[in-house]
Amino acid sequence: EAQVTQNPRYLITVTGKKLTVTCSQNMNHEYMSWYRQDPGLGLRQIYYSMNVEVTDKGDVPEGYKVSRKEKRNFPLILESPSPNQTSLYFCASSALGYNQPQHFGDGTRLSIL
Amino acid sequence: QKEVEQNSGPLSVPEGAIASLNCTYSDRGSQSFFWYRQYSGKSPELIMFIYSNGDKEDGRFTAQLNKASQYVSLLIRDSQPSDSATYLCAVLLPSWGKFQFGAGTQVVVTP
Repeated sequence: EAQVTQNPRYLITVTGKKLTVTCSQNMNHEYMSWYRQDPGLGLRQIYYSMNVEVTDKGDVPEGYKVSRKEKRNFPLILESPSPNQTSLYFCASSALGYNQPQHFGDGTRLSIL
Repeated sequence: QKEVEQNSGPLSVPEGAIASLNCTYSDRGSQSFFWYRQYSGKSPELIMFIYSNGDKEDGRFTAQLNKASQYVSLLIRDSQPSDSATYLCAVLLPSWGKFQFGAGTQVVVTP
């Protein structure tokens, strides 16, 4: 089954404790992206990648890191999480092309205390 | 000013009626436009996309794009209770790979 898998689905942690949210897709997609969703603000793009070893900033990259060492994986790293990073996070992937829809993972709900 | 704007709703629509959702965007060079549906607690799922001016129909859904007015809309005909969800407008910016989403319009279809 074609899917984007995120882990963990839920995480409660404390300020400053490094964490990684994994994202993996099995559709051989070149493009992957991370979003955060907050009430009233919709989805905001954090980082995206158009291929292995190629990453670019979205609208809200501060406080986040990503890497794309393999085509299928695109982890999101919070090196020193803060409470304002409490949010619902989605990973998405698509084929390259201006008319390609993104396939979203099920989301990761992060709470930073 | 938000770069992609949608009415937040809720938009209340009687069952069987037409729901009309609007989206405006600020970057005139934007290339493609997507409508996603998101049920509460779930991930967004694509309804349709459009990149040429005019109308595009898919079943009960019609997307309309007017690049001169920087406006894209979604019509849902014969609305069903299962259409009750939040609808997100997404815009692919000229720098390919960069997307902006509206905050979404909540649609409530009442039996």
